[in-house]
Amino acid sequence: DQQVKQNSPSLSVQEGRISILNCDYTNSMFDYFLWYKKYPAEGPTFLISISSIKDKNEDGRFTVFLNKSAKHLSLHIVPSQPGDSAVYFCAASAGWTSGTYKYIFGTGTRLKVLA
Amino acid sequence: ETGVTQTPRHLVMGMTNKKSLKCEQHLGHNAMYWYKQSAKKPLELMFVYNFKEQTENNSVPSRFSPECPNSSHLFLHLHTLQPEDSALYLCASTARSLSAGVVTDTQYFGPGTRLTVL
Repeated sequence: DQQVKQNSPSLSVQEGRISILNCDYTNSMFDYFLWYKKYPAEGPTFLISISSIKDKNEDGRFTVFLNKSAKHLSLHIVPSQPGDSAVYFCAASAGWTSGTYKYIFGTGTRLKVLA
Repeated sequence: ETGVTQTPRHLVMGMTNKKSLKCEQHLGHNAMYWYKQSAKKPLELMFVYNFKEQTENNSVPSRFSPECPNSSHLFLHLHTLQPEDSALYLCASTARSLSAGVVTDTQYFGPGTRLTVL
């Protein structure tokens, strides 16, 4: 049973427009969420995170929104650039277990930004 | 470049071989992780080490054997693997930070080892 779901395997967006990547989760105990970007032949790179005490976090062109009642988070990229083309993973954590966090990852969404 | 390195980057092995994957970080992180990424599946957590102690074994078959001699190095020893074990194996380490009164960990991933079992 997948606790973190990214239902769109791929997304294409025109350069300069907004990219919206979605993520749904089922475990109400999750209290910390992250987004990672992955290029081919590289490991995932941390992008932005949000704690459950917030509903929005912004970092430059990237904004993550959290809707706890809907168990839904989204990543907005605006304006989208061709270099943003990558696979985006969302991850969730239920808190501190045995001295560290354990993250559950979604399957990823492949974003393609068209020039 | 995240500061987490993995070797080798690619590995092809037969089912009777023994090989080891290596992960190294000199970021001062205390926790290190092994993940498996198969095609069209989410990252699967395999093992977690915190201060060299294993804190998580996510029901991983014994043909995968982790070793963490110190906080900077993590190994994954492979023995009698199956073709379905072919995947990308990712190592990560975590940095703890305090933001707005909330303690959070951010994971930094290595580039991965692409493993093919014949």
